[in-house]
Amino acid sequence: GESVGLHLPTLSVQEGDNSIINCAYSNSASDYFIWYKQESGKGPQFIIDIRSNMDKRQGQRVTVLLNKTVKHLSLQIAATQPGDSAVYFCAETSNDYKLSFGAGTTVTVRA
Amino acid sequence: NAGVTQTPKFQVLKTGQSMTLQCAQDMNHNSMYWYRQDPGMGLRLIYYSASEGTTDKGEVPNGYNVSRLNKREFSLRLESAAPSQTSVYFCASSRQQPQHFGDGTRLSIL
Repeated sequence: GESVGLHLPTLSVQEGDNSIINCAYSNSASDYFIWYKQESGKGPQFIIDIRSNMDKRQGQRVTVLLNKTVKHLSLQIAATQPGDSAVYFCAETSNDYKLSFGAGTTVTVRA
Repeated sequence: NAGVTQTPKFQVLKTGQSMTLQCAQDMNHNSMYWYRQDPGMGLRLIYYSASEGTTDKGEVPNGYNVSRLNKREFSLRLESAAPSQTSVYFCASSRQQPQHFGDGTRLSIL
């Protein structure tokens, strides 16, 4: 089956630096992509999303980039803070219901 | 704002026991979902309900049943629990996207 995956399972970043989390997907029919943040003992929390008719979308301190040519999605976090330490998941769907999740990247922020 | 509320938060069962996980949302969302999350993995969809009165299978439906009780509530039932169903279960709801998640039920089956 087709799946969504992440390039690296862990990422260590210095506080104040920018973080980039990558995700590859294989379903060319996917038209909606989303990033979630999951803290220990909590459910996934929505960060930012993007539809396939866009290649970039910005939020507060976060930017999502979509490259449909190579089926690649990335999340950029500016000025990473200790509170950004969490597991980050990308997910995609082609039918507005069935989200397919990647395995996640654990981000650790060093003081 | 409560959002998505799941009960119980923790549960230990013996193999063969039955159990219903409860989920309620107060955001007037049409769609609701049940996922499981195993260590080191992303969430996998068990069942979803696109609207009140409908339910559909997701990626891993075997061993589970669901009931969309009303617009607010969507329950997940394990009729005969197996150790392979030890997992963290998340409920979510949405109007379309994004989905909003509860904080999960941690279920252990011995």
